Amino acid sequence: GQNIDQPTEMTATEGAIVQINCTYQTSGFNGLFWYQQHAGEAPTFLSYNVLDGLEEKGRFSSFLSRSKGYSYLLLKELQMKDSASYLCAVPGAGSYQLTFGKGTKLSVIP
Amino acid sequence: GAGVSQSPSNKVTEKGKDVELRCDPISGHTALYWYRQSLGQGLEFLIYFQGNSAPDKSGLPSDRFSAERTGGSVSTLTIQRTQQEDSAVYLCASAARRGNTGELFFGEGSRLTVL
Repeated sequence: GQNIDQPTEMTATEGAIVQINCTYQTSGFNGLFWYQQHAGEAPTFLSYNVLDGLEEKGRFSSFLSRSKGYSYLLLKELQMKDSASYLCAVPGAGSYQLTFGKGTKLSVIP
Repeated sequence: GAGVSQSPSNKVTEKGKDVELRCDPISGHTALYWYRQSLGQGLEFLIYFQGNSAPDKSGLPSDRFSAERTGGSVSTLTIQRTQQEDSAVYLCASAARRGNTGELFFGEGSRLTVL
């Protein structure tokens, strides 16, 4: 099965940089996803990593190390609207069933 | 519409009653998922449909829960004899399975409250 661990909550200041970590254990690796979920809304796709390294997309970047079972989401130039939960997810081996972590609730303060 | 549509958006029911939640996925998407999210918790996988294959029901918490997908499109999640612990937001998502990104598109969810 899959096991995903990420911090429950984080607080960061507007304009700063924050790194949200995710460690995972999976019986077969088929990539790692990050989703953003604002309070009371549906999750929306942020990124997908299948190879080691850093993928940059505007203010958001996602890093993956398959050998360490580790990923992080990096948010730069934080804005108040970035306050949300960030969910790490991995598919099961041989299937596309996604298992989500419990999410990291990020609060951006002025 | 262009997105995943779920109904009802809110449902309040009495303990012991049955409820049906509906999901209309994005047209052409072959994969459909149901997840449950309790207050302050992560997404809990319930069931997964992929094309005409047998569904993956491994996440259904009890035999009171069932789901079907008719014609490879609309899906209905049924909860029989609801209990208070069934109170949660039930999220449906669909995926196109183009390429290998597996991006899920979520609906707004159905918030179920069991009194």
